This record gives sequence, C-alpha cells and structure tokens, in this order.
Amino acid sequence: KAGVTQTPRYLIKTRGQQVTLSCSPISGHRSVSWYQQTPGQGLQFLFEYFSETQRNKGNFPGRFSGRQFSNSRSEMNVSTLELGDSALYLCASSLDTGYGYTFGSGTRLTVV
Amino acid sequence: DQQVKQNSPSLSVQEGRISILNCDYTNSMFDYFLWYKKYPAEGPTFLISISSIKDKNEDGRFTVFLNKSAKHLSLHIVPSQPGDSAVYFCAAILTSGTYKYIFGTGTRLKVLA
Repeated sequence: KAGVTQTPRYLIKTRGQQVTLSCSPISGHRSVSWYQQTPGQGLQFLFEYFSETQRNKGNFPGRFSGRQFSNSRSEMNVSTLELGDSALYLCASSLDTGYGYTFGSGTRLTVV
Repeated sequence: DQQVKQNSPSLSVQEGRISILNCDYTNSMFDYFLWYKKYPAEGPTFLISISSIKDKNEDGRFTVFLNKSAKHLSLHIVPSQPGDSAVYFCAAILTSGTYKYIFGTGTRLKVLA
C-alpha cells in the first residue's frame, strides 16, 4: 500500500513569505502529526490532527498552523517565515494514539 | 526541558556484534516507548515499541528493554548488520492528561563491515 506522501520535497522561500506543506496519510490512518527536525534538536512536535480536529499542539508560535480534511489529508502552513524556520518538516500518520507512526520523507524548507 | 534523552550522539559497532542504543527519560508517567530508525533523506521508520507495563519486547534481531526504576530503555540489535547503519530515535508517549509524543535527539549507529 502507498506510504505517507509529502509534497513538495524541497522548497525555498524568502523571509516574510508564507508556505503551505501537504501530507497524504496512509489509507485508513486518521491521525496525522507534524514534526520539525533541525540539527541538534531532534524531532520537535508541532501538532496532531484526528478526524479533522487538532487534538494536540506543541510549543510553536501561532505562525505555525494546520488543518486536516475529511479524507484525512493534512496541510501545514507557516506564515511570516523566519530564517530559523529552515528545517525538515515531517508528517506522520497512525491509526490512533499509542501506535507507531509511519513517516513521510519530509519537506525540506529553506528560508533565505 | 528535554524529557527524552539520548546521550550518545554516535556509536560504532563491528558487524555481527551487538549494538546497544540507550535512552533516558524523566517523566515516570509515560505509557509507551518506541524506537525509530532513520536513513538520510527519508522519514523515520517505526521499529519496535514497548508498553510501560512490560520490561522487554523482542522482534527478530531487535529487543527493547525497559527499566522503569532507572527511567531507562535500551534497544539491542543482535547481530548488527551494515544495513542497520542509520540514526535511531527513541520516543515516549504520554496519553493521560496532556498528550505528549516526544522524541529523543537520536544516536547515529555505524556498523562496520
């Protein structure tokens, strides 16, 4: 079966712009989570969506937002980009809380 | 406040030997612990998990041990193979109260042929 698909794979934006990243989970997975990975920081939890509702949220500023659609696909939006937002953004899906994630390959965002 | 810590950023092991990856945590309320493997340019891949009510879980060459009194878990890979070379992340889940799914910073394992 198809894995978790993230688009685009690479993105270059300038400071102040906004960006939208997309994630298609594994069919049947209703939980979608987003993580930011930077060198030395590991994986930092952004938020989790389940059945179109944000169920959990990490410690990121309000510039980071997301949503989930009825088909479980999810988008993440970052407004007013800062240089420090440059990172690998990973989407992960699972059946529900407590299950292992299946991760996508990520979107590498570079802010210049 | 890093609640899940992997204090060894890297580890080198000879092929055929045992690899032991360690992880420490601070919150005794975590319900589940998981290990993921990550190759460059790919997302992490789930390997094995353990519930907080158990002290050992085994899956093929991978065994996870949980020592709750020490707030420590470890992943043993026996025998280690060159294809195991990757970054390994431990993660912990808290399902009661404020939900948390926290990853450690990773340990880079290199298996030498």
